[in-house]
Amino acid sequence: EPEVTQTPSHQVTQMGQEVILRCVPISNHLYFYWYRQILGQKVEFLVSFYNNEISEKSEIFDDQFSVERPDGSNFTLKIRSTKLEDSAMYFCASREGFTGELFFGEGSRLTVL
Amino acid sequence: DQQVKQNSPSLSVQEGRISILNCDYTNSMFDYFLWYKKYPAEGPTFLISISSIKDKNEDGRFTVFLNKSAKHLSLHIVPSQPGDSAVYFCAASSFGNEKLTFGTGTRLTIIP
Repeated sequence: EPEVTQTPSHQVTQMGQEVILRCVPISNHLYFYWYRQILGQKVEFLVSFYNNEISEKSEIFDDQFSVERPDGSNFTLKIRSTKLEDSAMYFCASREGFTGELFFGEGSRLTVL
Repeated sequence: DQQVKQNSPSLSVQEGRISILNCDYTNSMFDYFLWYKKYPAEGPTFLISISSIKDKNEDGRFTVFLNKSAKHLSLHIVPSQPGDSAVYFCAASSFGNEKLTFGTGTRLTIIP
C-alpha cells in the first residue's frame, strides 16, 4: 500500500539552528501539507502546497517557515531559526485531489533545546 | 479558537461492546467530516468520512452519524476490539477550503 514517508523520525536541535524535515508524498498525489502536533495538543494545520506554490498557510507558518518541492518526489519543511516552541511532532500529508482522504506520514519529532 | 471539539479526552469500553466517540463543531461552513485514528509514534490514519448531504455513513464496524442541526457527529465502533485502542481525532473542512481542522482527540481504551 502506498504511504507517505518522513525523515528524520526524530531530530534534536539547538535553539536558533535551521532544521529541514523531509517528506516523500504518495507518488500520484498532487496536494501536499504540513501539520504539527505539540505534545498534548491538537493536530494543527501549517501549510498546503499545490502546483509548486503555497495555496494556504496558517498563522503559525510565519517567515521562519518555508516549504519546497525541490524535485518530483520530495517535499520539505524548513525552519530557519528554531525556537523552543517549535518542539512538536510534524506530520506531512498528501492527497490525490483537492478534497477527500488525507494520507499522513508517521511524523518527525522535533525537539528544540 | 476551538472550532472542532471533542469533550471527552478519554473513554474506556469493554471488548465486544459499542464505543461511541463524540465531536461537536461550531463553524456552520464545515461540510465534510472525517475521523482519524492515531497510534503512538504514528501519523493519523483515515478511518471514515461523511459529507453534510448525508446523516450516516457505514464501513464495516465503523459508523459515523452527523446531526447538522446540533452540529454534532459521532463515531460508533461495534463490536469494539483491543486493536481499536488508540486516539481518535475528529476533523472537518469546508467547501473550497482544503485544510482540515482537528479536534483535540479522544483516547479510547478497549478493556479485554
